[in-house]
Amino acid sequence: DIQMTQSPSTLSASVGDRVTITCRASQSINRWLAWYQQKPGRAPKLLIYKASTLESGVPSRFSGSGSGTEFTLTISSLQPDDLATYYCQQYNSFWTFGQGTKVEIK
Amino acid sequence: QVQLVQSGAEVKKPGASVKVSCKASGYTFADYHVFWVRQAPGQGLEWMGRISPNSGGTDYAQNFQGRVTMTRDTSISTAYMELNRLRSDDTAVYFCARVSHYDSGSLDYWGQGTLVTVSS
Repeated sequence: DIQMTQSPSTLSASVGDRVTITCRASQSINRWLAWYQQKPGRAPKLLIYKASTLESGVPSRFSGSGSGTEFTLTISSLQPDDLATYYCQQYNSFWTFGQGTKVEIK
Repeated sequence: QVQLVQSGAEVKKPGASVKVSCKASGYTFADYHVFWVRQAPGQGLEWMGRISPNSGGTDYAQNFQGRVTMTRDTSISTAYMELNRLRSDDTAVYFCARVSHYDSGSLDYWGQGTLVTVSS
């Protein structure tokens, strides 16, 4: 099974800050990686697929990069609405989620 | 618009079974695989499996092999997930989701979630 490890588990940043979340795969997954945002009590929302393609309707302050085993999700200017937990998910071989990164606003 | 509407919350005793439904609307049900993902309280997301509404073919995560069954009824555009031999650690919110229109593995529409509580 492919394991996905996110870091950090929690981060605290101020409005306007640039925020980066890392996701590492236990083996190469090419670019078969998605990022989701989940707010408390809600279903996850797809932000990015194929590592860097922005889902329709998602603000352009979100971006993704990487390939192989290392990936990043970047929020270029953190907004209050971005308070959420973010998950990566690989789909190179079956499906596996990272453990999540909780983003808090200072 | 695309919608996935799940059945309501359930309370079950250990050893029982639960069957959760996911009714799709706003798109051609047969054209997109349906996935099931669960989330235990305060925990992350766990992929359980998927079903092809067209063929009925399934893939199950190893953790659930032998305990989960995914089915569908194309006449009413509904997918089902049945979990047997429930344990207390099966207490979770169960989500259905549709595979993305643009690739074969990300999930672009999700149901609202169904809370299943397992308690004696």
